Amino acid sequence: GENVEQHPSTLSVQEGDSAVIKCTYSDSASNYFPWYKQELGKGPQLIIDIRSNVGEKKDQRIAVTLNKTAKHFSLHITETQPEDSAVYFCAASIRAAGNKLTFGGGTRVLVKP
Amino acid sequence: SAVISQKPSRDICQRGTSLTIQCQVDSQVTMMFWYRQQPGQSLTLIATANQGSEATYESGFVIDKFPISRPNLTFSTLTVSNMSPEDSSIYLCSVEVTDEQYFGPGTRLTVT
Repeated sequence: GENVEQHPSTLSVQEGDSAVIKCTYSDSASNYFPWYKQELGKGPQLIIDIRSNVGEKKDQRIAVTLNKTAKHFSLHITETQPEDSAVYFCAASIRAAGNKLTFGGGTRVLVKP
Repeated sequence: SAVISQKPSRDICQRGTSLTIQCQVDSQVTMMFWYRQQPGQSLTLIATANQGSEATYESGFVIDKFPISRPNLTFSTLTVSNMSPEDSSIYLCSVEVTDEQYFGPGTRLTVT
């Protein structure tokens, strides 16, 4: 089955700096890659996703890139703010196979003011 | 997107007992999922719950331990049976809307 690895497990950045989280996946059939933000005591919140027919997608300060050949995708957060502090999860799925998500291990991001 | 609620939000249960978790969504959805998130860990899919058919369980999860009901397109329940301390986790339901998956707030379960 699919295996998703996520790095780093923790990331501390100064407010205003950029944060980058990287994930690799094992199943070349995976074609959907969402990113979730989970704040303490809450459920994961979908923040951005990318499909395999696109190499990059941007939404304000958040961007995701996908390299299908290398089987890795990354989340980029620019101009970080204290409210960006949370745990971020990447995931992968095969949309034609019931869209069951396999999650990475998570990255705890701390933005220092 | 979708608005998803779960009940209870948290509970403390004794070993050997069972707890049923409810998941309600504000629109009709075909696919609902149940995940487990152990303390400090990532999310693991327990099962897919489709209305009108038996739930499909992932490897390592069985119906006797985690029975699921899906009586209609807006509601599902997950029961954690014969609980042990190892079942202490956050249990999350999610729904698929226009090919995107949205999560409920979770049920934090502690088994003593």
